[in-house]
Amino acid sequence: NAGVTQTPKFRVLKTGQSMTLLCAQDMNHEYMYWYRQDPGMGLRLIHYSVGEGTTAKGEVPDGYNVSRLKKQNFLLGLESAAPSQTSVYFCASSYGGQPQHFGDGTRLSIL
Amino acid sequence: DQQVKQNSPSLSVQEGRISILNCDYTNSMFDYFLWYKKYPAEGPTFLISISSIKDKNEDGRFTVFLNKSAKHLSLHIVPSQPGDSAVYFCAASASSSGSARQLTFGSGTQLTVLP
Repeated sequence: NAGVTQTPKFRVLKTGQSMTLLCAQDMNHEYMYWYRQDPGMGLRLIHYSVGEGTTAKGEVPDGYNVSRLKKQNFLLGLESAAPSQTSVYFCASSYGGQPQHFGDGTRLSIL
Repeated sequence: DQQVKQNSPSLSVQEGRISILNCDYTNSMFDYFLWYKKYPAEGPTFLISISSIKDKNEDGRFTVFLNKSAKHLSLHIVPSQPGDSAVYFCAASASSSGSARQLTFGSGTQLTVLP
């Protein structure tokens, strides 16, 4: 039972490039979330989903898009990467809202 | 404006002693609080939670206390073990945020348990 799996684990991008981060969960959870963590700060919610086909904005959604085409997958896209998006990205899922189960993160550097 | 604050970036405790991690919040709408533990290169792991209708919740060596009037919660670990060395995040949510229960995190406290 893998839980929440994030791919890739590391990535380096150039400014202006695009990429997609994949999150997959095998716990049949309805809710899924994307967070970013920056040095000296807590995790901040980017976008979340309460079910297949639904998405909603969190605290820091600008510059990101998401899709939830399948219940088990939640994709986070960066259309035109900027250095300010250098961060560690965490995906989480939950049943009924709490508690949230997290993946091990994707470390993204944008040059 | 940080709605959840962990004012101590780090804490060192001797093995076997009590560790007390503190968290303050400003949003009076928060009604559910959680503590997560995070090891390097791993995601946060849920530790313990408390609803605003309670003032204490215990789970083994871990106890969370909630003081609603002071908007303060604390996590007690007794006895502390070297394996408890990690970053501890306090998080809060409000039922008004909807069923997804969006979490607001503090900045974390690095706990080091010395053998």
